[in-house]
Amino acid sequence: QLQLQESGSGLVKPSQTLSLTCAVSGGSISSGGYSWSWIRQPPGKGLEWIGYIYHSGSTYYNPSLKSRVTISVDRSKNQFSLKLSSVTAADTAVYYCARRPNYGDYEDAFDIWGQGTMVTVSS
Amino acid sequence: QSALTQPASVSGSPGQSITISCTGTSSDVGSYNLVSWYQQHPGKAPKLMIYEGSKRPSGVSNRFSGSKSGNTASLTISGLQAEDEADYYCCSYAGSSTVFGGGTKLTVL
Repeated sequence: QLQLQESGSGLVKPSQTLSLTCAVSGGSISSGGYSWSWIRQPPGKGLEWIGYIYHSGSTYYNPSLKSRVTISVDRSKNQFSLKLSSVTAADTAVYYCARRPNYGDYEDAFDIWGQGTMVTVSS
Repeated sequence: QSALTQPASVSGSPGQSITISCTGTSSDVGSYNLVSWYQQHPGKAPKLMIYEGSKRPSGVSNRFSGSKSGNTASLTISGLQAEDEADYYCCSYAGSSTVFGGGTKLTVL
């Protein structure tokens, strides 16, 4: 059973870069047919899609965050990462990583999620 | 890219049925049969309940069903149970991007 686990800095200062990693266990991030995603949820608010990276390496980002977001994959470590630059208090949220099948069962849905990690932006 | 529109809250008594609507545009819900629905209990990660508009993942109760008409998707929960009380989010593919709804809080009276 594939599992995802987020890790990274829980407290980031304004204007700095938020960095998170999602470790994939119970399966290979290199198996085709999936994109690897980041989604966030500010306290008391709804879900916001951040972006995803396809097996090919192609990336797609939320237009509202595109200028500040980078998602990358490290196949040697079986993990993928999120970097969000120039953060402000508005970036305070629980950040989730998730798997998204590109075709077949559960196409374009987020079928497996990490437990989430809280990131606070504060000086 | 605007969030899909959901009612902020719905409620129902045990055993009743409720429907949550999710309204998008011709650029997302109306163009693709790729609407998914997620259930989220407090402090937990979202759980996939419906995908491709109306399909249920294995293990999800058949009390949950999904449909779509034009730019609006709907989630229906029949035979409400106390454990169904949670937040529900719709989500749609929007052509190289994805958009979520604002979420609906379901209260079981």
